[in-house]
This record gives sequence, C-alpha cells and structure tokens, in this order.
Amino acid sequence: GAVVSQHPSRVICKSGTSVKIECRSLDFQATTMFWYRQFPKQSLMLMATSNEGSKATYEQGVEKDKFLINHASLTLSTLTVTSAHPEDSSFYICSAPSAASGNTIYFGEGSWLTVV
Amino acid sequence: AQRVTQPEKLLSVFKGAPVELKCNYSYSGSPELFWYVQYSRQRLQLLLRHISRESIKGFTADLNKGETSFHLKKPFAQEEDSAMYYCALSGNNQGGKLIFGQGTELSVKP
Repeated sequence: GAVVSQHPSRVICKSGTSVKIECRSLDFQATTMFWYRQFPKQSLMLMATSNEGSKATYEQGVEKDKFLINHASLTLSTLTVTSAHPEDSSFYICSAPSAASGNTIYFGEGSWLTVV
Repeated sequence: AQRVTQPEKLLSVFKGAPVELKCNYSYSGSPELFWYVQYSRQRLQLLLRHISRESIKGFTADLNKGETSFHLKKPFAQEEDSAMYYCALSGNNQGGKLIFGQGTELSVKP
C-alpha cells in the first residue's frame, strides 16, 4: 500500500531553537496532508491541514507563528517548531489521503520531539 | 460540534473472551467512521471503515445512526490484539481530516 514517511523519527533540541520535521508521501501525490500531535497514550489532536501551494489551515488554539507548515510539493510537507519550549515536546504525526486508494488515509511513523 | 468519545481508557480481557470497544460520536450530518489501531512502537493503521462493512482480523463494527455509535467487536480476543484503538470521524467533504477519540488500550491476557 501507499507509504508516508516522516523524518526525523526522533530529535532533541535546545529551548529557543527551531526544528523541522518532514512528511513525505513516497509513492503517491498528496495535495493535502495533516499534522497531528499526540501525547503518550492519549488521542491525536489535529493541528493543521497542509495545502500544497497555499497556506495551511490551522485548528483553533494552534499558534500558526509557532508551528510553521510548508507544503512546497505534492509529496512533501514540513512542520517547523519555532522557538521551541519544553512544553512542545511531543509526538508529531502526519497523514495524507491517497486518491488512488479510494482516499484511504495513510499515517507517517511519527516524530518524537524532545526540547531540553 | 464534531466529537468522538471512547469512554474506556483501558480494557483488559483474557484470551478467547469477547471484546467490545465503545465509540460514540457527535456530528450534524453523515460522517464517515473509522477504527484505527496502533501497535506498540508502530504507526497508526486503518483497521475498519464503516462504508466497507468488512471484517478485518476478526473485528467488525456497525454504524448505529440512532445511537450515534460505532462500537468495535471481536468474538474471541487474541494476545496479538493488544494495542491502542482509536475511533475516528471524518465529515462531509473534509478530504481526510480526522477527529479522533481518546483511544482505548486493549490488553489481552493469556
């Protein structure tokens, strides 16, 4: 089936720095991708919808200046956590629907961010 | 408001016992309902979607619009079923945007 890949799978950064997480659809094109945040053994919280070639749509309460999303191509969306703080430490997951698979939604393996 | 509720945080059963993971939803319209499973250290995987009405790994789920429920059932649990299970909803024309329930951890003991 279709594959969505995230990189890096784990990253540690210092408070105040920025970190970029990539989400790629490996064998299909995705005009839309979604970014979620998940705390341990808790639900996935939708952060934003990434739209190829246009601005991302953020969910209520998500700071767009802090979580920058860029969807520069049909196979790549990036999430940049700017001026990271320890409370930003979390598991970030992306997903993308594959039109060729009846719009089945595929998830990346997730990226663990630890801010120290 | 769109909402998915999974009332049980943890469900523990013995191997061979029946399992039912509850899911209720709130949505003004005709949503599409899903069950996703997350095994330890693995990515989220689609288990079932209500429109396909199929049985995967022995699991079934029926959409009950009157009760706004989409409970997941399996008659005989196996140890390898131990995982986190998430019920999710997608609204009309939302193109893959999912609203997730809180998740239920299923633990199947030998």
